[in-house]
Amino acid sequence: GAVVSQHPSWVICKSGTSVKIECRSLDFQATTMFWYRQFPKQSLMLMATSNEGSKATYEQGVEKDKFLINHASLTLSTLTVTSAHPEDSSFYICSARDQGGRAAYNEQFFGPGTRLTVL
Amino acid sequence: DAKTTQPTSMDCAEGRAANLPCNHSTISGNEYVYWYRQIHSQGPQYIIHGLKNNETNEMASLIITEDRKSSTLILPHATLRDTAVYYCIVSSASGGSYIPTFGRGTSLIVHP
Repeated sequence: GAVVSQHPSWVICKSGTSVKIECRSLDFQATTMFWYRQFPKQSLMLMATSNEGSKATYEQGVEKDKFLINHASLTLSTLTVTSAHPEDSSFYICSARDQGGRAAYNEQFFGPGTRLTVL
Repeated sequence: DAKTTQPTSMDCAEGRAANLPCNHSTISGNEYVYWYRQIHSQGPQYIIHGLKNNETNEMASLIITEDRKSSTLILPHATLRDTAVYYCIVSSASGGSYIPTFGRGTSLIVHP
């Protein structure tokens, strides 16, 4: 199947700093990518939909100025957590849909996740 | 999208079939049933999906009841590596408009 990578796989940062997480579709193009957040022992929560060449669509309760999303190309979306605080510590997961339609139902592929710890 | 209900946890012996149930009593006619799983500290992995017919692939089988109010994911020969949280999702969206929305899922533990 198609591969989605994330970088870094984990990051530790000081409170107040910004952290950028990259999501790449390695062997397919994705005009739309999705960002999820998962706290310990909880399910994945959709944060935003990242659209190539346009602004991201944020879910209710997600601050767009704090979680900056850029989808500059068909294979790369970035999530920047600005002025991170300990409560932003979480597992961030991206996903992408193979727009090429190799799967008839446009299967969605998930990245391996990035664990963010804010001290 | 219809809500789903899954048991919080289940366990299964290695080599035996794991049968994971999901109730979706409010499912409507155009809604699909999707299954994903998430191994600890990894991203979710698509397993299988169906509309009304039973489906089988290399990973699992999906049995959907005739009234479509429930379904069962079957892992025919569970291995230790199948230990994961399994999510059942119902969505009317398909193709380009489908966005998985995850509930609590079932934590499956496969033991030796």
